[in-house]
Amino acid sequence: DIVMTQSPDSLAVSLGERATINCKSSQSILYSSNNKDFLAWYQQKPGQPPKLLIYWASTRESGVPDRFSGSGSGTDFTLTINSLQAEDVAVYYCQQYFSSPCNFGQGTKLEIK
Amino acid sequence: EVQLVQSGAEVKKPGESLKISCEASGYTFTTYWIGWVRHMPGKGLEWMGIIYPGDSDTTYSPSFQGQVTISADKSISTAYLQWSSLKPSDTAMYYCARHNQHLLGTTLLRDAFDIWGQGTTVTVSS
Repeated sequence: DIVMTQSPDSLAVSLGERATINCKSSQSILYSSNNKDFLAWYQQKPGQPPKLLIYWASTRESGVPDRFSGSGSGTDFTLTINSLQAEDVAVYYCQQYFSSPCNFGQGTKLEIK
Repeated sequence: EVQLVQSGAEVKKPGESLKISCEASGYTFTTYWIGWVRHMPGKGLEWMGIIYPGDSDTTYSPSFQGQVTISADKSISTAYLQWSSLKPSDTAMYYCARHNQHLLGTTLLRDAFDIWGQGTTVTVSS
């Protein structure tokens, strides 16, 4: 199984500042046939289901604000939230869908400082 | 509108059986993988397994193999998650979600979970 490890577990950032969340996979999730990393980022707010933000490591889902961006390849990935807004308070998860089981990271709780 | 609508909250006793549902609409149910995700109180998300409703091909996480059964009824566009004997440790929120997909040559590749159900709370207590 591919293990996904996020860091940090929690993060407090001031409004308007940048938040950075890291995700590391235990093996490469780069699919060589199409040169895409099979990694997604989700946002989960209390009482709501997760919401897809980013797929293929760096492609924003339709309707997601452009302050959210994903980067990285192979085994190391980053979710960056620029100009943090109050509504961005949530738990963020990465997930690999390269192979089953499509494991999630343990989550990163983002709060306002 | 593409959506997944799950059945309502359940309160059960240890040892009881349970089957929760996830009804799909707005897309061709038989041509997308549907997965189930567990979210225990205060914990992270856990991928339990998936089913391809077109042929009922099912894959389970080793952590959940033998503990639950995933099935689908394509005549009513509904996926199911069931337990034969619940334990208190099954207390959690359960989500169904659709794997998006794309075709690479002749190979259909699963993508991220793009559509999620609203969740079903399962409480197991004596």
